[in-house]
Amino acid sequence: DGGITQSPKYLFRKEGQNVTLSCEQNLNHDAMYWYRQDPGQGLRLIYYSQIVNDFQKGDIAEGYSVSREKKESFPLTVTSAQKNPTAFYLCASSILGGLGNTIYFGEGSWLTVV
Amino acid sequence: EDQVTQSPEALRLQEGESSSLNCSYTVSGLRGLFWYRQDPGKGPEFLFTLYSAGEEKEKERLKATLTKKESFLHITAPKPEDSATYLCAVQASSGGGADGLTFGKGTHLIIQP
Repeated sequence: DGGITQSPKYLFRKEGQNVTLSCEQNLNHDAMYWYRQDPGQGLRLIYYSQIVNDFQKGDIAEGYSVSREKKESFPLTVTSAQKNPTAFYLCASSILGGLGNTIYFGEGSWLTVV
Repeated sequence: EDQVTQSPEALRLQEGESSSLNCSYTVSGLRGLFWYRQDPGKGPEFLFTLYSAGEEKEKERLKATLTKKESFLHITAPKPEDSATYLCAVQASSGGGADGLTFGKGTHLIIQP
């Protein structure tokens, strides 16, 4: 099946730990994104990437890092510098070019700090 | 700065009671306006993309319309399975090819049997 796979679905992090969320897509999309969703707030963009080995900061990049070594993979690391990491994290992808490019989402990963 | 405001925040309807959700936007040149459905604990599911004022799109009981300042998601004779949070988002033409979407906070819709 074509789609976007995020793992793990649930993750618990201790104070001071870095954790990495996985995102893989088999849609052959060029662009990939990471969003954060908090209760009562809209989705906010963390990082995005248009091409392998290149990525840009979104609106709330502080405390996060990403890599794009392969077209189909865009992992997100939540570092200990992120002061309030408990949230629902969504990975997404899209084609590039043309009119508004529809962004498709994965099923999300819940991160909780314990 | 691009802004998206959705109203109401929450809406409770009886099964079969039609209504509309509103999405007001301010954007520096609209490339596209998107509607998504999101079930609890799941990722958003794409519904529609609208590109220009006057455009309409339909899917089952849902119909999306677009003006220069707002979009409406009309729900006709809804069923309990239409209960979800509906998200509106815009993509600006001033942005880069992949700088993402600006989302509203969503409308939480409950359809009671």
